[in-house]
Amino acid sequence: EADIYQTPRYLVIGTGKKITLECSQTMGHDKMYWYQQDPGMELHLIHYSYGVNSTEKGDLSSESTVSRIRTEHFPLTLESARPSHTSQYLCASSDASGRSDTQYFGPGTRLTVL
Amino acid sequence: GDSVTQMEGPVTLSEEAFLTINCTYTATGYPSLFWYVQYPGEGLQLLLKATKADDKGSNKGFEATYRKETTSFHLEKGSVQVSDSAVYFCALSDGPGGGNKLTFGTGTQLKVEL
Repeated sequence: EADIYQTPRYLVIGTGKKITLECSQTMGHDKMYWYQQDPGMELHLIHYSYGVNSTEKGDLSSESTVSRIRTEHFPLTLESARPSHTSQYLCASSDASGRSDTQYFGPGTRLTVL
Repeated sequence: GDSVTQMEGPVTLSEEAFLTINCTYTATGYPSLFWYVQYPGEGLQLLLKATKADDKGSNKGFEATYRKETTSFHLEKGSVQVSDSAVYFCALSDGPGGGNKLTFGTGTQLKVEL
């Protein structure tokens, strides 16, 4: 069973605030991902990482930034939140060893920006 | 590029009915194929996967067969329950060499009624 955690689960904040969404996994996976899920359910990859000190932008342009200082931790930051950032954010990880290409997902953070 | 097309929802069924959710894909190479399920307010859970042609993935009464000749991976269940109500996503992976990035379909909402 996968162990990947996201906090907070729900966040309501005002416009202009800086926020950090936390994502941690205890499986030792090198690869981690952030997805944005719009109200129509579609999933968009916004950031990914192949390991420590590696970060890449995904298919959907995002004003958020990420960092990967430790293998288990992949936080996402919005410097100045806007209502257009209201969405569900999902974190995932996968094994880089080549044995498996399955991604395991966290429970998500539902962000509402007023 | 890679793409996944799945049938639009919502799909509404009576309990014990037969379920089929169609999924077709376009990809170069030999991708792994996945079905993920998302229950309300939660992240994605891996439901089943298949890694090569003619493989059948199965879990919790759901099954899907990797059909290379028709580039399809249709999800089926013989008798659905109310607890199966969720959103189902078909996805393909570009594999460990490509970073294990997933391409998702748009999701199909399933509602099962008594």
